[in-house]
Amino acid sequence: QQQVRQSSQSLTVWEGETAILNCSYENSAFDYFPWYQQFPGEGPALLIAIRSVSDKKEDGRFTIFFNKREKNLSLHIKDSQPGDSATYFCAASVLNYAQGLTFGLGTRVSVFP
Amino acid sequence: EAAVTQSPRNKVAVTGGKVTLSCNQTNNHNNMYWYRQDTGHGLRLIHYSYGAGSTEKGDIPDGYKASRPSQENFSLILELATPSQTSVYFCASGEGQYEQYFGPGTRLTVL
Repeated sequence: QQQVRQSSQSLTVWEGETAILNCSYENSAFDYFPWYQQFPGEGPALLIAIRSVSDKKEDGRFTIFFNKREKNLSLHIKDSQPGDSATYFCAASVLNYAQGLTFGLGTRVSVFP
Repeated sequence: EAAVTQSPRNKVAVTGGKVTLSCNQTNNHNNMYWYRQDTGHGLRLIHYSYGAGSTEKGDIPDGYKASRPSQENFSLILELATPSQTSVYFCASGEGQYEQYFGPGTRLTVL
């Protein structure tokens, strides 16, 4: 059973639009939720992250909205650019020290000019 | 800048052969991780380590061993490679439960 679910495998937006990527999770013990961005042929790179004590985290054009009660979160990419075309992974970790992240399956975002 | 490097970047192996994937980090992080990435499965944790001399099983450890001889190096070993282990393997380092820095990946094909 997938503990972290991303609702879309792929998403297409036009340049300048806001892309919204949705994620939900099963384990109530998860308390840290990073989003990773991956370009073809590269490793994932941390884009932005939120802890469960917060409901919003903003970093430039990227914003995470978090709903602890509903166990879901979303990544908003404002003013999407063609360079944002990549695969985005929602991930989560529990309180146990140093254990690895649990990843969703990823959403491939394509931004067309 | 912090860096995680992996070698080799590409590897073709034969079924039943032994494969060793190497990872080196200059982040001075205590924790290191091995993941595999497959279409339809995302990234899955194979083994991880809290520091030199330690290895722990992740979510899919069967068929894999790990070795952490030093703070900087973490290896993944496939003693008897099988075609089902064809995948892209990523190493990562991190501190605490939070951010992990990933290497560029190793593409392994087992024929």
